Amino acid sequence: AQKVTQAQTEISVVEKEDVTLDCVYETRDTTYYLFWYKQPPSGELVFLIRRNSFDEQNEISGRYSWNFQKSTSSFNFTITASQVVDSAVYFCALSEAKGGGNKLTFGTGTQLKVEL
Amino acid sequence: DAGVIQSPRHEVTEMGQEVTLRCKPISGHDYLFWYRQTMMRGLELLIYFNNNVPIDDSGMPEDRFSAKMPNASFSTLKIQPSEPRDSAVYFCASTSGGRRMYYGYTFGSGTRLTVV
Repeated sequence: AQKVTQAQTEISVVEKEDVTLDCVYETRDTTYYLFWYKQPPSGELVFLIRRNSFDEQNEISGRYSWNFQKSTSSFNFTITASQVVDSAVYFCALSEAKGGGNKLTFGTGTQLKVEL
Repeated sequence: DAGVIQSPRHEVTEMGQEVTLRCKPISGHDYLFWYRQTMMRGLELLIYFNNNVPIDDSGMPEDRFSAKMPNASFSTLKIQPSEPRDSAVYFCASTSGGRRMYYGYTFGSGTRLTVV
């Protein structure tokens, strides 16, 4: 069964600090997809990134970067020079190509608070 | 593209009443998902449809919950009778078969249900 673990329940940082959100996953499939979603205080779920299991290239998008390591089953998310607007709950999610069908399984989320 | 549209945004009802949540997926999307978010259980998949057909309803908590998708542009999630423990935010999401794995799932703004 697929499982996603986000061990950090809550992180508080001061604006301009870098912060890394951890995500560890479990799956029996060789083909799977990993996602990060942002849930700001307004409540909507905003898609940030998708990664295929066969593509371990790290990705950078502005102040956001993602580190995917199959050897440790991790897909960590780093925000560089954090801003108050980054305050939100961040979810890591997994979708298996075969075993899990098309279900998107979420971790429990990490609440990020960025303060001035 | 108006995105995934859910209604109502907020619903307050008395225990025992019937509640109907509505979702309009993005035009052209052939997958539709219903998720529930609570503090205790996080984000959990209730049911999903492919081409209007229910594929997996194993997440539906009990017989009080039912979901339908009469056509490609509309789905409902019904709770009858409602109970206080059903209080949660209910999200609808949609995606297309090929797009799903590249751009993730697009979520609606959610319906916040309170059963008193």
